Amino acid sequence: LAKTTQPISMDSYEGQEVNITCSHNNIATNDYITWYQQFPSQGPRFIIQGYKTKVTNEVASLFIPADRKSSTLSLPRVSLSDTAVYYCLVILYNQGGKLIFGQGTELSVKP
Amino acid sequence: GAVVSQHPSRVICKSGTSVKIECRSLDFQATTMFWYRQFPKQSLMLMATSNEGSKATYEQGVEKDKFLINHASLTLSTLTVTSAHPEDSSFYICSADLTSGSLENEQFFGPGTRLTVL
Repeated sequence: LAKTTQPISMDSYEGQEVNITCSHNNIATNDYITWYQQFPSQGPRFIIQGYKTKVTNEVASLFIPADRKSSTLSLPRVSLSDTAVYYCLVILYNQGGKLIFGQGTELSVKP
Repeated sequence: GAVVSQHPSRVICKSGTSVKIECRSLDFQATTMFWYRQFPKQSLMLMATSNEGSKATYEQGVEKDKFLINHASLTLSTLTVTSAHPEDSSFYICSADLTSGSLENEQFFGPGTRLTVL
């Protein structure tokens, strides 16, 4: 299984760019990388997904190097409402798309 | 985007009773749905994969006779916690797979159900 490792917590201030790096050394050829955000007592919310290089949407950017053994979620100019837990996951394509959640990164944005 | 709902949002029950939680995909059909459990300050733990028209696949350590899963239609999966005990108190979350079988996979999560067993 492609286990993911990411920092347990991060602190930031409003307006800063936040980069959360995740390692997934055992990622398989057909696996995609996806990031979710979760607020307390809510279900996770999809942020971004990618396979290689760089993906950008209206919320974040995802950088994936050529070896795909890591990925970095970039949140531009965070606000207090971005305080949440961020999960990096590898979609296990050969297991029917199962998502195995790691511990996640608890991001705290301060004023 | 696709919407997944859960009902009820929270439930309190007495020890020994059974509780049914519904997970619905509101604007799409989901061949596959997943059930997770989350304890306070912990990550989500996958309990089982629910496949429409067939038996659910349970993760190691999850009792299939205690957590009954039924996926009778392409828009509804149910999780029944049988003979609930206080240690079953948790936050139960379902997700539905919008693009079953494709490499790009986006799962949509329900809002969760808070179960408290007294």
